[in-house]
Amino acid sequence: QLQLQESGSGLVRPSQTLSLTCTVSGGSISSGGYSWTWIRQTPGKGLEWIGYISLSVGPQYNPSLHSRVTISLDRSKNQFSLKVTSVTAADTAIYYCARDYGDYYNWFDPWGQGALVTVSS
Amino acid sequence: DIQMTQSPSSVSASVGDRVTITCRATQNILSYLNWYQQKPGKAPQLLIYAASSLQSGVPSRFSGSGSGTDFTLTISSLQPEDFATYYCQQSYSTFRTFGQGTKLEIK
Repeated sequence: QLQLQESGSGLVRPSQTLSLTCTVSGGSISSGGYSWTWIRQTPGKGLEWIGYISLSVGPQYNPSLHSRVTISLDRSKNQFSLKVTSVTAADTAIYYCARDYGDYYNWFDPWGQGALVTVSS
Repeated sequence: DIQMTQSPSSVSASVGDRVTITCRATQNILSYLNWYQQKPGKAPQLLIYAASSLQSGVPSRFSGSGSGTDFTLTISSLQPEDFATYYCQQSYSTFRTFGQGTKLEIK
């Protein structure tokens, strides 16, 4: 059974870089042609898709975040990562990693448990 | 981007009630529509994919319908564990978007 787990810094200073890693267990990120996704959730904006990466297609990002976001894969560690630069309080959120599953129709399954990131000085 | 609008934003219902939640897209998304359930402190969980396909392990009281721009999630007979927040999400566009959520509360 595939499982995802987020890890990283829970507190980030304004203007600094947010870094999170998603560790995948129970399966390989190199198989299946899936896309590996980051999503965040805030009380104000709800669920917001940040972007995804796959082996077959380069990273795709939310246009509103594109200039500050990088998603990368580490196949040797079976992990994928998120970096968000120049953070502000608006980036305070619960960050989820998930698999974007499907060939024709796509959906997010499974999800990690989520990691709370607070941007504060 | 494709905007997803759910209605109502919240609904109160009793155990055994039938509840319907609506999701509308700003453009035709065919059947590229998924539904998730989220309970407090937990990640969203997939209920329905491709508008009407029930995810494995999800009770049959949940059903989805619709295509194009208008979709519905129906819970035929509410159970205590169904009180949660529900989200729709489109996968027609690479830029995935979610509805704002519908909170289902106990009356």
